[in-house]
Amino acid sequence: AQKVTQAQTEISVVEKEDVTLDCVYETRDTTYYLFWYKQPPSGELVFLIRRNSFDEQNEISGRYSWNFQKSTSSFNFTITASQVVDSAVYFCARTNAGKSTFGDGTTLTVKP
Amino acid sequence: SAVISQKPSRDICQRGTSLTIQCQVDSQVTMMFWYRQQPGQSLTLIATANQGSEATYESGFVIDKFPISRPNLTFSTLTVSNMSPEDSSIYLCSVPGLGGAGVDTEAFFGQGTRLTVV
Repeated sequence: AQKVTQAQTEISVVEKEDVTLDCVYETRDTTYYLFWYKQPPSGELVFLIRRNSFDEQNEISGRYSWNFQKSTSSFNFTITASQVVDSAVYFCARTNAGKSTFGDGTTLTVKP
Repeated sequence: SAVISQKPSRDICQRGTSLTIQCQVDSQVTMMFWYRQQPGQSLTLIATANQGSEATYESGFVIDKFPISRPNLTFSTLTVSNMSPEDSSIYLCSVPGLGGAGVDTEAFFGQGTRLTVV
C-alpha cells in the first residue's frame, strides 16, 4: 500500500508560536494530488490546500504556508502565529482518481 | 463544489442490529466513496460506490458487512450490518471534485455519521 506518514502524533504550542506539521508520502503514480485537511472537534473535514505532483511551487495563504518537495516526497504545512482556534486534528492525504489515502493525523493543541 | 447531505448525523444502536446511512449529493457524480474513522484513528476507505454496478471494496471490508447501494448518480447508502461495539466509528461519504480533464481538485466530504454501538 502507498502510505502517507505523519510522524507527529501530537503537537502542543502556545498561542502565537509557529508550528510545522510534517507529511511524507509514498507513491508509484506519476500524477497524484496531495491535500491537507483540518478536523476540528466538531468532526467535519475542512479542506485547506491541494497540490498536484507537477506543481512544486510553495505557497503562503494568510497564516498558512506549504512546502512541497517532490525529491523527498514531503508536503509539510506551517501555521504562523498560531491561534487557539487552530486546535484540531490535521490530516495529510494523497489522492489519485478520487480515492484518498490519509495519514494518521496530527493533533495540534494551541494553548492560550 | 459539491454539497453533500449525510443522514443520520449520529446514532446509538444495539449490537446485532443494522444501520443504513444515506448520502445525497447536489450534483451528479460518477464515483462516491465511503470511509470509516475509528476513534482516534485516521480515515480508511471502505469501498467505492459505482452507479450501475457492484461496489468495489477495499481489503478488509466485505459486502456482507457493509452492503452499499447506488441507485443513481446523486445518492448512495452504506449499511453497517450485525453491528458490534467495534463498529463504533464515524462514517463519511465523499465525492471527488473534478476539474478540467478529470483533474482531482479536492474531495468533498459529508458531515459524517457518528455511530455508537452498545
